[in-house]
Amino acid sequence: ETGVTQSPTHLIKTRGQQVTLRCSSQSGHNTVSWYQQALGQGPQFIFQYYREEENGRGNFPPRFSGLQFPNYSSELNVNALELDDSALYLCASSIRDYTDTQYFGPGTRLTVL
Amino acid sequence: QQQVKQSPQSLIVQKGGISIINCAYENTAFDYFPWYQQFPGKGPALLIAIRPDVSEKKEGRFTISFNKSAKQFSLHIMDSQPGDSATYFCAASIEAGNQFYFGTGTSLTVIP
Repeated sequence: ETGVTQSPTHLIKTRGQQVTLRCSSQSGHNTVSWYQQALGQGPQFIFQYYREEENGRGNFPPRFSGLQFPNYSSELNVNALELDDSALYLCASSIRDYTDTQYFGPGTRLTVL
Repeated sequence: QQQVKQSPQSLIVQKGGISIINCAYENTAFDYFPWYQQFPGKGPALLIAIRPDVSEKKEGRFTISFNKSAKQFSLHIMDSQPGDSATYFCAASIEAGNQFYFGTGTSLTVIP
């Protein structure tokens, strides 16, 4: 059984640019959630994808968008990057139709200059 | 509004001692309460979780105590070891697979 993987590990962008982060869910998991973790803070929920549809969204603007693919992998896209977008972006996979927990990947560290 | 409040922010414990971290929540619809451990540069890893139908759950050196009426839960780490030095997050959700609301984290340092 493979765990949750994310790419890239680190990324540096400048303000106004766009970024795409990728996540491969754990084998057998059909749900992916994305979280933003600012330095020294707890993760904040961005949104969740189930069966390729957004299924719940936190308090993040529309410039944060995502996709889930038929193999349950997922992308997080952020447009018009702002300095405050600098954070660790975590994805977590789970089985939607089962009372199991969410398993987190190692994260992508995004720095916006 | 912080849905889950966590304390203390930091904790220093001697090796072999007991580490205690507390969390409180407001939303009575929460029915799943996990604790995650996070090392620098890594993603959170599940330690232990509890549902509100039990008051305590123990796994090895880790115990969750849950007080439904007070809307509080805590993590106890027995016989704390230097390798336990990490940041600990409590969380809550309505169903385990749904959005997690995380606490602000506790940085634990275990001194040899």
